[in-house]
This record gives sequence, structure tokens and C-alpha cells, in this order.
Amino acid sequence: AQKVTQAQTEISVVEKEDVTLDCVYETRDTTYYLFWYKQPPSGELVFLIRRNSFDEQNEISGRYSWNFQKSTSSFNFTITASQVVDSAVYFCALLIYNQGGKLIFGQGTELSVKP
Amino acid sequence: DAEITQSPRHKITETGRQVTLACHQTWNHNNMFWYRQDLGHGLRLIHYSYGVQDTNKGEVSDGYSVSRSNTEDLPLTLESAASSQTSVYFCASSESSGFGRNTEAFFGQGTRLTVV
Repeated sequence: AQKVTQAQTEISVVEKEDVTLDCVYETRDTTYYLFWYKQPPSGELVFLIRRNSFDEQNEISGRYSWNFQKSTSSFNFTITASQVVDSAVYFCALLIYNQGGKLIFGQGTELSVKP
Repeated sequence: DAEITQSPRHKITETGRQVTLACHQTWNHNNMFWYRQDLGHGLRLIHYSYGVQDTNKGEVSDGYSVSRSNTEDLPLTLESAASSQTSVYFCASSESSGFGRNTEAFFGQGTRLTVV
């Protein structure tokens, strides 16, 4: 069975702190994609990143970075120097190749960045 | 610009009523999905479609139905609304997930449904 676990339900940090959101996934398939989405207080889902299972290179985009490790089935997301605008619910999701684009979501992590 | 829109954005209905939530996309995507979002569960798949006249059940399909008569629309119907169906509903669309092709799903703004 495929599953995504985000063990951190809520995280609270003070502005400028670094914060890492954990994501652990389960699948026996060898070809898959991993995603992160952001859901700000306004409620929409914002795509952040997609990674395929053959690309374990870490990625950095501004203050955001992602660490993909197949050995531990993890796809963690780090925000450096957090800002109040980063306050949101973040979802990690898994998509299995050739299963028609169905996303399997984790439970979400609510990040609160306080000034 | 291509987009995906849901209507209504908010709805309150009574137990036992039939409710239909609309989803319309202009991406010309074959794949369309309905998810519900509940605290502690993330988003869970209700129904999905890979093209016109194709519909499939997802993880939490009981009490819901969909129909796909054209590429652009996938309405979600609650046959007899129950309080357990109070939730936020998201529609999404994507291209076919062939490896190397863009598999990003585009989401609508969500519909907040309250069943009283």
C-alpha cells in the first residue's frame, strides 16, 4: 500500500528561525513522484515542487530547500530564515507512475511563524 | 490564461438534500479529480476521471457520484447529504502521468460545504 506520513501536525517558530517539515512515504513502486504543496490561510493549494524517484539531487529555491533520500523514504522540506508569510499548512504528496495522476497526501503540517 | 474553477465557494445545505458542486477547467486536461480535505486526514480522493464518459471511485466514494460528459467539467454530486460530508472539497486536473511529462495537478480554489 502507498502512504505518506507527516508526523508533525503543528510547528511554531519565531521569524528568522530555520524550520524543517518532515515527510516519509511508503511504496513498493520504483517509479513515482513526490510533491509539496502549500495551503495559505486563504485556502488555495499552491504547488511548490515535484521530484521524480530517479532524481535524488537536493533542490534549493530561494529560502526553500528539499532533501530527498530514497534510503530513508523521506522528502523533507526546509525553510531558511522563516517569515510570517510562510505561515500555512504544508502537504507532502506521492504520485505513482502509471496510476493516472492520483495524488496520495500526507495529513499536513501547520506551520505558524510568529513575528 | 487556463484555469480551474469551482462553484460555489461556500454552501450550506440540509441533511438529506442532493447537492452538486461544479468544477470547470480550461487546461484541456484529460485527468480530473475530486478530493475532500478534513483535519487530520489531509486530502483524500473521492472520484476521478481519465476522460469523457470515464469515472472511477477513489478512497472515500460512498455517498458521492460524478459524471463526465465533456473534457472541461466534472461535477460532484452528493446524493443525500450527511453531516459527515461537511468538508472542504477540491477539484484538480492534470495531464497524463507518462514519465517525464508534466504531472503537476492544478487545483481549484476549494468549496466549503456545511451540512446541517
